Amino acid sequence: ETGVTQSPTHLIKTRGQQVTLRCSSQSGHNTVSWYQQALGQGPQFIFQYYREEENGRGNFPPRFSGLQFPNYSSELNVNALELDDSALYLCASRLEKALNTEAFFGQGTRLTVV
Amino acid sequence: GENVGLHLPTLSVQEGDNSIINCAYSNSASDYFIWYKQESGKGPQFIIDIRSNMDKRQGQRVTVLLNKTVKHLSLQIAATQPGDSAVYFCAENYNQGGKLIFGQGTELSVKP
Repeated sequence: ETGVTQSPTHLIKTRGQQVTLRCSSQSGHNTVSWYQQALGQGPQFIFQYYREEENGRGNFPPRFSGLQFPNYSSELNVNALELDDSALYLCASRLEKALNTEAFFGQGTRLTVV
Repeated sequence: GENVGLHLPTLSVQEGDNSIINCAYSNSASDYFIWYKQESGKGPQFIIDIRSNMDKRQGQRVTVLLNKTVKHLSLQIAATQPGDSAVYFCAENYNQGGKLIFGQGTELSVKP
């Protein structure tokens, strides 16, 4: 167990809907990153939050957005869902954004868009 | 472009043998590398990391080797056990900003 928890574990949405995924970081970790993992692929970086501000973004459209709260927990929001958004969404927390420190992952949220 | 890739998508070994999983990276500026293990239905689990000022690091039954000259990373698992069966990913830390670039993964299958 890494101490990083995500909810829900599974979710089914219809194309065009909006979804919010949640992540609680490991105690003491102030940096949270989100990744999308398609079936059979490695995780792809979506964005990172450090002390409530976005701090780096991958090649994802603006309909992917996020928040980080004062307790360092985080949300990933996806608007106008597309079928290709079906994937495992992973949250990772680390102690500091700029240092080479371990990133610990949650178990993920499996999103299916139909 | 930036890429972290694996030479072998699947690896099958006998229980008790040693396993070697390889990874090539293309970003010479990357200075931190991590190996993750991912079991079915779970998130990636940290195994071992290495910084670019090192060429070898050992953990419990695992060793990571880094060859910066040829941009190559490997994970060695000693006395492989059935519980080691999983997909293994290497990842590089890009631009010291926390963005991890993952390879496609190698599926390790351990035969009893």
